[in-house]
Amino acid sequence: DAGVIQSPRHEVTEMGQEVTLRCKPISGHNSLFWYRQTMMRGLELLIYFNNNVPIDDSGMPEDRFSAKMPNASFSTLKIQPSEPRDSAVYFCASSRDRVAEQYFGPGTRLTVT
Amino acid sequence: AQSVAQPEDQVNVAEGNPLTVKCTYSVSGNPYLFWYVQYPNRGLQFLLKYITGDNLVKGSYGFEAEFNKSQTSFHLKKPSALVSDSALYFCAVRGLDGGGFKTIFGAGTRLFVKA
Repeated sequence: DAGVIQSPRHEVTEMGQEVTLRCKPISGHNSLFWYRQTMMRGLELLIYFNNNVPIDDSGMPEDRFSAKMPNASFSTLKIQPSEPRDSAVYFCASSRDRVAEQYFGPGTRLTVT
Repeated sequence: AQSVAQPEDQVNVAEGNPLTVKCTYSVSGNPYLFWYVQYPNRGLQFLLKYITGDNLVKGSYGFEAEFNKSQTSFHLKKPSALVSDSALYFCAVRGLDGGGFKTIFGAGTRLFVKA
């Protein structure tokens, strides 16, 4: 299996622009997680889906962030408009079920100038 | 609310010596406990987990962890450290919180293994 696939790997954008991060989970996994990692705040869970349904989005920082999972093999995290404080590494992870171990993608390093 | 604490920001150990990376947790009900490792510019990689059963769990790369319910701890151990073990280690707990399952990660402990 190719593992969790994320794109792009690096994104540099200007403040105010829309950013879309993409994730393809491992086939057969039914839980998907979006995380953000920064030096200051560590690893933060933003949202997680179970069977394509958002279960907990309490970690989404504000309305500028939105996430979708239209099918079992694809999810997006969108930031509109982006701000410099959104600069971070964003990870997508998937797991077989809600209590199994998670498998992380390589991350997207986002820089907002 | 559930929580995870990794009391050491950094652990230094000489190659060949045993290593311990500490983790304590707080969760309602039975915990699901995990250790992950992160190498530079990479995503987290699963090392091992405790769900139920034997308190000593063995995982990848020679690592093991011991679940101690009375001390609410899940320390990561390895009998003989390698330089290649140098990385960032995360403890995580998954449990019922506010009616749903949540995963909480610790702040991470950076392990330096010196040759």
